[in-house]
Amino acid sequence: DTGVSQDPRHKITKRGQNVTFRCDPISEHNRLYWYRQTLGQGPEFLTYFQNEAQLEKSRLLSDRFSAERPKGSFSTLEIQRTEQGDSAMYLCASSPDYSYNEQFFGPGTRLTVL
Amino acid sequence: AQKITQTQPGMFVQEKEAVTLDCTYDTSDPSYGLFWYKQPSSGEMIFLIYQGSYDQQNATEGRYSLNFQKARKSANLVISASQLGDSAMYFCAMREKGTGTASKLTFGTGTRLQVTL
Repeated sequence: DTGVSQDPRHKITKRGQNVTFRCDPISEHNRLYWYRQTLGQGPEFLTYFQNEAQLEKSRLLSDRFSAERPKGSFSTLEIQRTEQGDSAMYLCASSPDYSYNEQFFGPGTRLTVL
Repeated sequence: AQKITQTQPGMFVQEKEAVTLDCTYDTSDPSYGLFWYKQPSSGEMIFLIYQGSYDQQNATEGRYSLNFQKARKSANLVISASQLGDSAMYFCAMREKGTGTASKLTFGTGTRLQVTL
């Protein structure tokens, strides 16, 4: 399967713990996006990478959140000192460099903070 | 102001009938793109159809068509010959080129479609 993959699919953690999610984009897609989706809402943009460079961050991305994309391949999203309000689906998407159109989404990581 | 508005929280349609899901948008950017995504209960966002702001004709992809009315700032999705597998959440989204190179998508709150026998 050559689609976007995310790991883990589900994560349950206690408040105050750190969690890290991984996203593997479609091979050769230079652009990678992270979105967050809370219950009953559409996805909201968090951050964007062009290769290894993080070019844009939403105000939603507080200082407890950090994202990386070393070597321009997979990406990780870390949340430190999790809060109950962080409970959401975290979606990763990728797109080719030449395309301003379709973004291909992964299956998401559902985070539950107890 | 909401950038993308989907006023129908839920819709029902009978199998084999057509259904229209509404979407209005707000932007001052002359160059933008409009998207529809389907999200089944599994959670993955599935791309359905795209319409560029300069496209002269309405986009079509199989059973999906986009009714683009630029002056009214609406981009309704029409699904013809509904199937049980069409039951899902449907999101309208917009990309504005003025946001720079990111091309991030701004989504509406979605419409839950239920196809009945």
